[in-house]
Amino acid sequence: DVVLTQSPLSLRVTLGQPASISCRSSHSLVSSDGDTCLMWLQQRPGQSPRLLIHLLSNRDSGVADRFTGSGSGTDFTLKISRVEAEDVGVYYCMQHAHWPHTFGQGTKLEI
Amino acid sequence: EVQLLESGGDWVQPGGSLRLSCAASGFTFSSYWMTWVRQVPGRGLEWVAHISPEGSQTYYVDAVKGRFSISRDNAENSVYLQMNNLRADDTGLYYCSNGARDWGQGILVTVSS
Repeated sequence: DVVLTQSPLSLRVTLGQPASISCRSSHSLVSSDGDTCLMWLQQRPGQSPRLLIHLLSNRDSGVADRFTGSGSGTDFTLKISRVEAEDVGVYYCMQHAHWPHTFGQGTKLEI
Repeated sequence: EVQLLESGGDWVQPGGSLRLSCAASGFTFSSYWMTWVRQVPGRGLEWVAHISPEGSQTYYVDAVKGRFSISRDNAENSVYLQMNNLRADDTGLYYCSNGARDWGQGILVTVSS
């Protein structure tokens, strides 16, 4: 199975400051058609997961532009340019290039 | 507005069975891969099963192969997860999703004696 390793597992950030989460994959996540099959999800306390970023760097509808996904091959990053109070929660990377699809362990973001 | 509404969760003894249902609305259900994902405290998120839009392809994580079965009814905009021979480590919150784009609120499955 593809292993996704996130770091850090916990992150405390000051409001208005940037935050960065790393996700490293044990396998390339590039599909045969050239897409990078990596998503980022946010799970706020007490809520279901929510899709933030798909195919490496595409923000889902309604996602604030302070969220940016980047990376290539096996190393990926989610950056939040200026953290807001509503960003508190757990962030997961997820790959859908290989079955079974797998998630990272999650990174808990606190203010 | 997309809605995914799970039902069927319950407490069951080890070895028992449950059938989860997910009613979908607000998107073209028959065009989407549908997924069950579970969340276990201390173990994060785990992709459990996946079914193609027409229902001809299914995939399962190794931990549930031979015990769980995913199916769908495109006429009813619903997806199901039949869970047999349940074990304590199947306990968790089960989410229905259209390929991780939209998520239900989750339904609790507890397997305990």
